Amino acid sequence: GDSVTQMEGPVTLSEEAFLTINCTYTATGYPSLFWYVQYPGEGLQLLLKATKADDKGSNKGFEATYRKETTSFHLEKGSVQVSDSAVYFCALSGNYGNNRLAFGKGNQVVVIP
Amino acid sequence: GAGVSQSPRYKVAKRGQDVALRCDPISGHVSLFWYQQALGQGPEFLTYFQNEAQLDKSGLPSDRFFAERPEGSVSTLKIQRTQQEDSAVYLCASSSDRGNNSPLHFGNGTRLTVT
Repeated sequence: GDSVTQMEGPVTLSEEAFLTINCTYTATGYPSLFWYVQYPGEGLQLLLKATKADDKGSNKGFEATYRKETTSFHLEKGSVQVSDSAVYFCALSGNYGNNRLAFGKGNQVVVIP
Repeated sequence: GAGVSQSPRYKVAKRGQDVALRCDPISGHVSLFWYQQALGQGPEFLTYFQNEAQLDKSGLPSDRFFAERPEGSVSTLKIQRTQQEDSAVYLCASSSDRGNNSPLHFGNGTRLTVT
């Protein structure tokens, strides 16, 4: 079935550092890919998405490119802020005909001032 | 309110008790999903409604789990004879269309602890 794999472990980095969170997926057909973010005490929010190969999703300085050849959708940000501290989830929407999502385990990101 | 509302925010149940978790989706949203999120894990799909019809319940882990949405708006997830492994955050999400063109809006979840 459809699945998403995120790199293991939390990510701790200093303010203004470069952030990368790896995400790979397994799916049949042509899924849509998403990054969701969960800030402390809040619900999951859509951060960005890409619906077809080579699309780049972007929002709030974050970017991710849908790479079909490597089945990846890595999240990047060039200069993180303390306010980016959150849990980030990679997800895909497969061929269910609705918005059913398969999520990765998530990565806790802690940005230190 | 403008968002998806879930209640209660926290629920503690003794093993064997029944619980009911409520979800108020965004008004007019057709699609409604329930997810289960164990500690340190990503959300796992439980069930999907399109209006009042439960079109997919393949993610429900056992027959102790039951969900309904009788009038196509508010939904209730019921867990009978709770077990410790049911401890998790239960998330509700809604979207405005039947397909996958509109984003999912998530509630803040209900944290269930079974003692």
